[in-house]
Amino acid sequence: QKEVEQDPGPLSVPEGAIVSLNCTYSNSAFQYFMWYRQYSRKGPELLMYTYSSGNKEDGRFTAQVDKSSKYISLFIRDSQPSDSATYLCAMKSGTNAGKSTFGDGTTLTVKP
Amino acid sequence: DAGVIQSPRHEVTEMGQEVTLRCKPISGHDYLFWYRQTMMRGLELLIYFNNNVPIDDSGMPEDRFSAKMPNASFSTLKIQPSEPRDSAVYFCATQSGQFMNTEAFFGQGTRLTVV
Repeated sequence: QKEVEQDPGPLSVPEGAIVSLNCTYSNSAFQYFMWYRQYSRKGPELLMYTYSSGNKEDGRFTAQVDKSSKYISLFIRDSQPSDSATYLCAMKSGTNAGKSTFGDGTTLTVKP
Repeated sequence: DAGVIQSPRHEVTEMGQEVTLRCKPISGHDYLFWYRQTMMRGLELLIYFNNNVPIDDSGMPEDRFSAKMPNASFSTLKIQPSEPRDSAVYFCATQSGQFMNTEAFFGQGTRLTVV
């Protein structure tokens, strides 16, 4: 079983919809949580990061962490066609912060 | 800075041939990671270096795979001999330091097809 599980989708929504992307993890040592966005034929780019349980908001994006449930989410409000991409969650532990463990990614398509 | 530079962008080779993928990290970054991405297996960490020294190569699938980092400006991932199941997109990523909020910067990837 992988340390980080992510539903691969694909997920297709109409423009303006609220999108929820999720990951679960098994390693309780993970303390730092990130979301990367990967456009087609490009490398992943960091979108958001959060350290503690709770919510972090950045424009239309909200990252949510529930350490007690080992569950993280990324919400996208008012989704746009330009949000169409693969979203990968990633996590780091305090004992090995040099290395990130990635989920497999969820492919999102926002239709105009 | 031009970011992480990988070459070639695309590689098509015949089974049994040697393949060498190259990566130039962002100047000053002391961590370098090699990943492989496929639809079936997602993004897999193959190996990573800190200050040019391999730290963890447990993700390298077989002895056919080898990676080197002779200096802070260059790394290679070599597959010899290549097999069709090695077909994937290979990413190099680099970061500065090992702090919690350190971002990994990815290259554009090398799309490898082994026929």
